[in-house]
Amino acid sequence: QSALSQPASVSTSPGQSITISCTGTSSDVGGYNFVSWYQQYPGKAPKLIISDVSNRPSGVSNRFSGSKSGNTASLTISGLQAEDEADYYCSSHTSSNTLVFGGGTKLTVL
Amino acid sequence: QVQLVQSGSELKKSGASVKVSCKASGYTFIGNSINWLRQAPGQGLEYMGWINTNTGNPTYAQGFTGRFVFSLDTSVNTAYLQISSLKAEDSAVYYCARDVNFGSLDPWGQGALVTVSS
Repeated sequence: QSALSQPASVSTSPGQSITISCTGTSSDVGGYNFVSWYQQYPGKAPKLIISDVSNRPSGVSNRFSGSKSGNTASLTISGLQAEDEADYYCSSHTSSNTLVFGGGTKLTVL
Repeated sequence: QVQLVQSGSELKKSGASVKVSCKASGYTFIGNSINWLRQAPGQGLEYMGWINTNTGNPTYAQGFTGRFVFSLDTSVNTAYLQISSLKAEDSAVYYCARDVNFGSLDPWGQGALVTVSS
């Protein structure tokens, strides 16, 4: 199972919006609506911010949204704030009944 | 509150074994699978597999068969990861996480650092 493909890094200014892509195959992202996104700060455990492609768990800011088209899922963060600077990972359920993760995207808020 | 608490840091020599624990509290342990991942220093998350808390049946991701064993002790709401014949490249932070719905992992344990020295 190959890792999902994410950009290694993205950057933008406070107040702007940014979209992080996550590309897989028909055996994972394209085949199931079970894509999740996680936020991780340095030295901390990851935190679930999007489940089932576009659902926000309780307590997660509505500035975070998720979507999917074909084999590519996307995480959009609007109204970027300094606190959003972190690493972001996508994951998907797979046809092997396991999960596959992306390589992670480092978001820098300039 | 729902939480997973992992055991502490370990320093092991190459060839030794290590067992990491993951104790659940705040919810009914049986019913949601426990997943295991690791993160080497400065690297991304690497998925290792999961264990069914109803049956105790483990499923290992590619690259994690043979030296890696997932187990449970449901009497104390704890999942375990045992790694044998440790190698330097096994040095990483190991995370457990509860699966709430087909791969949505929440919460995560705080992580357990395993360092393998030669």
